[in-house]
Amino acid sequence: SAVISQKPSRDICQRGTSLTIQCQVDSQVTMMFWYRQQPGQSLTLIATANQGSEATYESGFVIDKFPISRPNLTFSTLTVSNMSPEDSSIYLCSVGAQGRETQYFGPGTRLLVL
Amino acid sequence: SQQGEEDPQALSIQEGENATMNCSYKTSINNLQWYRQNSGRGLVHLILIRSNEREKHSGRLRVTLDTSKKSSSLLITASRAADTASYFCATDRTGGGNKLTFGTGTQLKVEL
Repeated sequence: SAVISQKPSRDICQRGTSLTIQCQVDSQVTMMFWYRQQPGQSLTLIATANQGSEATYESGFVIDKFPISRPNLTFSTLTVSNMSPEDSSIYLCSVGAQGRETQYFGPGTRLLVL
Repeated sequence: SQQGEEDPQALSIQEGENATMNCSYKTSINNLQWYRQNSGRGLVHLILIRSNEREKHSGRLRVTLDTSKKSSSLLITASRAADTASYFCATDRTGGGNKLTFGTGTQLKVEL
């Protein structure tokens, strides 16, 4: 399985600011995804991070609010822009390899917006 | 919403007992995966069952899949206090590009 790290592990931010979360994988992977888990809830997919092109966003999520970069096959960033308390969540990246069905998740970034 | 449903929402059992969690989903799938999450941390992959499989075992875990009913169950036998966690099913739907749709989750508490 892939080893995935995320930075920061947690943060407390003021409303109106932005936070960039990094996801690093120890091997090249085809698929990278970003999920949000609101307090006490399940996971919801934000977007698919595509290497070398724009991310593909799910319904209800937009690039202006959650810009994503994926410069290579081992790294991606998710920015939470112009934050409000409603953005307080755990943000997780996941990876999958082509031809392999299992997805593995990073440890998550716990964000609190005041 | 395409999110699947899990029941029960919460389950409390004694150590040594078996725990069964159920998952229902809405679309045709390539596979269904079960994950564990401890105290709001990262997800640990437990087991994957493909759409053409009916049952799968891994250690103390047993997963069944009924595609005609669009449902799956996860059985944990001889539970331990360390099994206390939230359990989520996630479906990789047909034509979905490997994106996962998660169920609502079951909070399992195993008491000594």
